[in-house]
Amino acid sequence: LAKTTQPISMDSYEGQEVNITCSHNNIATNDYITWYQQFPSQGPRFIIQGYKTKVTNEVASLFIPADRKSSTLSLPRVSLSDTAVYYCLVGDYTNAGKSTFGDGTTLTVKP
Amino acid sequence: IAGITQAPTSQILAAGRRMTLRCTQDMRHNAMYWYRQDLGLGLRLIHYSNTAGTTGKGEVPDGYSVSRANTDDFPLTLASAVPSQTSVYFCASSDSGGRGPDTQYFGPGTRLTVL
Repeated sequence: LAKTTQPISMDSYEGQEVNITCSHNNIATNDYITWYQQFPSQGPRFIIQGYKTKVTNEVASLFIPADRKSSTLSLPRVSLSDTAVYYCLVGDYTNAGKSTFGDGTTLTVKP
Repeated sequence: IAGITQAPTSQILAAGRRMTLRCTQDMRHNAMYWYRQDLGLGLRLIHYSNTAGTTGKGEVPDGYSVSRANTDDFPLTLASAVPSQTSVYFCASSDSGGRGPDTQYFGPGTRLTVL
């Protein structure tokens, strides 16, 4: 299983761009990278997913370098409601058991 | 559409007792998962199922068992609860199976306290 490493916490201010990086040095060929957001007392929810290069959706961008040993979640112009824990998941879509969550990054957005 | 439901919402259990946490999904997803999340920590995979009739062990399977008799239900059983099993338990499902990347959808969680 690909082990993932993320910063424990990050602080930001409203309106800033936030970049959270996840390291996954032993990522495998079949692995995709998915980011989830979790609010207190709730289950995680999907933010974005990618395999390589750059992926963008309405809430975030995901940057994956050519070697795929890391990935960066970019949240543009954060607001107070973006305060949450963000998890990086490296998973093999051919086998549900080959998925590893990181320990998460607690993002605190300040006014 | 309910998505994923879990029951009970919370439970206080005496050590040594048997407990089954229920998980039901109505999305007809192939894969289902059970995670535990200890206070302030990340999610750890307990057991998973790629499809009905099959199950597999995750990172922390000891003390837990699962079954997958049909597509919708994936119960998690603690045969003899111990205090170290105090945690929040999340069930998830995804439409995986080798057809492409999948997204996991999570239930609301069950908060279990073993005394």
